[in-house]
Amino acid sequence: DTAVSQTPKYLVTQMGNDKSIKCEQNLGHDTMYWYKQDSKKFLKIMFSYNNKELIINETVPNRFSPKSPDKAHLNLHINSLELGDSAVYFCASSPKSSGTEAFFGQGTRLTVV
Amino acid sequence: DAKTTQPPSMDCAEGRAANLPCNHSTISGNEYVYWYRQIHSQGPQYIIHGLKNNETNEMASLIITEDRKSSTLILPHATLRDTAVYYCIGIAGGTSYGKLTFGQGTILTVHP
Repeated sequence: DTAVSQTPKYLVTQMGNDKSIKCEQNLGHDTMYWYKQDSKKFLKIMFSYNNKELIINETVPNRFSPKSPDKAHLNLHINSLELGDSAVYFCASSPKSSGTEAFFGQGTRLTVV
Repeated sequence: DAKTTQPPSMDCAEGRAANLPCNHSTISGNEYVYWYRQIHSQGPQYIIHGLKNNETNEMASLIITEDRKSSTLILPHATLRDTAVYYCIGIAGGTSYGKLTFGQGTILTVHP
């Protein structure tokens, strides 16, 4: 009974394609996030949504568009994929009250060729 | 958020205590110290956090110095499964909405 689940786990695609990564949490949390971990293993926040409202956008290219249809889901759509987008993308959620005890998904390894 | 400094790597023998230090000399009064870890190929996992007092939970203990300029995460009986990258993060209380700024962390290797 996974708390934060992402699909797919692996994604290999060609440059220029458009792809989506889905995330769902069954914890009843108000806040969800997308983080990116690059090849040097640095983890950086990309977006944060609270009750379907965008809270944080860390100067991510507008080719990346998060969508939150409800507070249990936060999907990430990426247009015109570039080689530099290759990374592991983590979805996370946290209760609004704590904000920082985040639960992370297992990650989606995106490889752009 | 406070800048934190951690040693790049540490070793520990299985069954012994692992003591992971973190310096956060610029931490302000309302900033908490959070610890996360990332086991290979998995998402980060919350461990523990504290403000001023020492804290303990089922995973670890957190010792914060009185001046709050440094802290130590203690895994009392390390196992091979505790091999991971450990991150110390300083976060202001309030409406940060969980923005975690991960540094390079400490690679802890637990060996038999």
